Amino acid sequence: AQTVTQSQPEMSVQEAETVTLSCTYDTSENNYYLFWYKQPPSRQMILVIRQEAYKQQNATENRFSVNFQKAAKSFSLKISDSQLGDTAMYFCAFMASNTGKLIFGQGTTLQVKP
Amino acid sequence: NAGVMQNPRHLVRRRGQEARLRCSPMKGHSHVYWYRQLPEEGLKFMVYLQKENIIDESGMPKERFSAEFPKEGPSILRIQQVVRGDSAAYFCASSPPTGERTEAFFGQGTRLTVV
Repeated sequence: AQTVTQSQPEMSVQEAETVTLSCTYDTSENNYYLFWYKQPPSRQMILVIRQEAYKQQNATENRFSVNFQKAAKSFSLKISDSQLGDTAMYFCAFMASNTGKLIFGQGTTLQVKP
Repeated sequence: NAGVMQNPRHLVRRRGQEARLRCSPMKGHSHVYWYRQLPEEGLKFMVYLQKENIIDESGMPKERFSAEFPKEGPSILRIQQVVRGDSAAYFCASSPPTGERTEAFFGQGTRLTVV
């Protein structure tokens, strides 16, 4: 069975600084996808970034980038130039290829301070 | 193209009543997934359905919970004889029928409160 672990329940960062959220996972699958979702107070689940396991290149979306270490089963999210609107809960998630079913971590609450 | 629509957004039920949560997937999507989020926790997979079929119900509680996705109309998550512990946010996600299912599109969730 797959598991996803986020070891940081809470994080804080000053506006305009950089912060890294950690995530590790366990799987015996070879083909899979990893995601970071943002959940603001509205509770809407917003996809931040996606990584295909077969790609060695780390995914990047504007201020958001990942450090994907497949051998170590690690998938951290880096947020650069943090903005107040980044304040939210962030979830790391795993999806075995072509299933559509997500396994989520426990989440990290990120507070961006002015 | 409307996104995944869930209703109601908020639902209050007394203990012992039934709760019905509805999910209309994105246009053209025929795969639906239900997740439950307890307070201060991550989302937990409950069930995966295609039209008229339950594909994976490994996350569904054995009793009181059921789900369906009929040929016509929305997917329904039904909770019978609700208890306080059922209070949670319930999210629905959908994905397309063909090709790689590599992304799930979420609705805004239904907040169930059992009083």
